[in-house]
Amino acid sequence: AQKVTQTQTSISVVEKTTVTMDCVYETRDSSYFLFWYKQTASGEIVFLIRQDSYKKENATVGHYSLNFQKPKSSIGLIITATQIEDSAVYFCAMRETNNNAGAKLTFGGGTRLTVRP
Amino acid sequence: EAAVTQSPRNKVTVTGGNVTLSCRQTNSHNYMYWYRQDTGHGLRLIHYSYGAGNLQIGDVPDGYKATRTTQEDFFLLLELASPSQTSLYFCASSDALGGLYAEQFFGPGTRLTVL
Repeated sequence: AQKVTQTQTSISVVEKTTVTMDCVYETRDSSYFLFWYKQTASGEIVFLIRQDSYKKENATVGHYSLNFQKPKSSIGLIITATQIEDSAVYFCAMRETNNNAGAKLTFGGGTRLTVRP
Repeated sequence: EAAVTQSPRNKVTVTGGNVTLSCRQTNSHNYMYWYRQDTGHGLRLIHYSYGAGNLQIGDVPDGYKATRTTQEDFFLLLELASPSQTSLYFCASSDALGGLYAEQFFGPGTRLTVL
């Protein structure tokens, strides 16, 4: 069964610095998709960025980028030039592509990021 | 931008009570999902659906039923609520055209307390 683990429960950084949040996953599939979502203090959950397991290039969207290391089953989220409003809980998620998995998404436990002035 | 709404936003019931959580999406997405969020567990999938009349079992289905009456509406039913079902519930939807690559759009959540 697929499993997603985020070992960092909380991180605190100073504004304008770079932070990396870790995520490791377990899957028997050779093809899968990896996602990062952000949950704000108000509870809103929004999609940030995704990675196709077949793509070697790391995805980048705005000041978010990914560090995809397939041999290590790892997909880190990098936020550069952090801002106060980046303070949130970040979730890593995986979707397998085999027929039994369907459209299911498996989430990690989340990492709470606090950005300090 | 997909719009996913949930009602009620807050609900308090007693053990053994009957609760229905509602979700509506207005972007014609095929897939809809129900999750629960508990501290330390992230989001866990309860049930999901590919379309009206379809229901798929998620990872934590015990104690929950669901029904997809239309493409827009997905309901989560707790027929004998228990305190262990006290949680924050999220509904989400995604577009089948994007396939498994498509991101999910989440509703604002429903906080359920079972006394």
